[in-house]
Amino acid sequence: NAGVTQTPKFQVLKTGQSMTLQCAQDMNHEYMSWYRQDPGMGLRLIHYSVGAGITDQGEVPNGYNVSRSTTEDFPLRLLSAAPSQTSVYFCASSPRINSPLHFGNGTRLTVT
Amino acid sequence: AQSVTQLGSHVSVSEGALVLLRCNYSSSVPPYLFWYVQYPNQGLQLLLKYTSAATLVKGINGFEAEFKKSETSFHLTKPSAHMSDAAEYFCAVSDRADYKLSFGAGTTVTVRA
Repeated sequence: NAGVTQTPKFQVLKTGQSMTLQCAQDMNHEYMSWYRQDPGMGLRLIHYSVGAGITDQGEVPNGYNVSRSTTEDFPLRLLSAAPSQTSVYFCASSPRINSPLHFGNGTRLTVT
Repeated sequence: AQSVTQLGSHVSVSEGALVLLRCNYSSSVPPYLFWYVQYPNQGLQLLLKYTSAATLVKGINGFEAEFKKSETSFHLTKPSAHMSDAAEYFCAVSDRADYKLSFGAGTTVTVRA
């Protein structure tokens, strides 16, 4: 039972570098989302997808891109990393919107 | 989108004592309501969900939450704290009109022996 798998677990980037955070789920869930977690701020929604080929912006989308070419995968791209993007990133999925989310174990990103 | 307020960023309780974590949301229309728990270095796990079938919702590990429409609240309780309850707890709310789940800032629970 893999559930939601995120890679890498840890990443250090220099300012201006780009990278992709990977997220894959094996539960055939239609809904997938990306959150960032910062101390004292809870989780904030970056982008979400309600199905393959459909994505939309959340609360804090600037500096991030997503795509959903398959049901299973929902990668998050940082276009030009900034120190303000230092955070823990969580991918989550659910069978449908407003169903309980299944979370991955997170990616801890540091931008220097 | 909904706004969610969790009162108290840290709560310290003695083992065996009542745990009470407060959550208030902004909408007057009953939304979807959830409580999640996060253990260190892990993702979030669902504790319970309000489904509108009953105002008192029972979850895992002995937790329950009561939906009070008049107070726009969904407070989480556990009658008797256990050491294993030490974690961070998040209230989350989404309204029935959009797909965006909003989280509170979280409450860290410490359990004293």
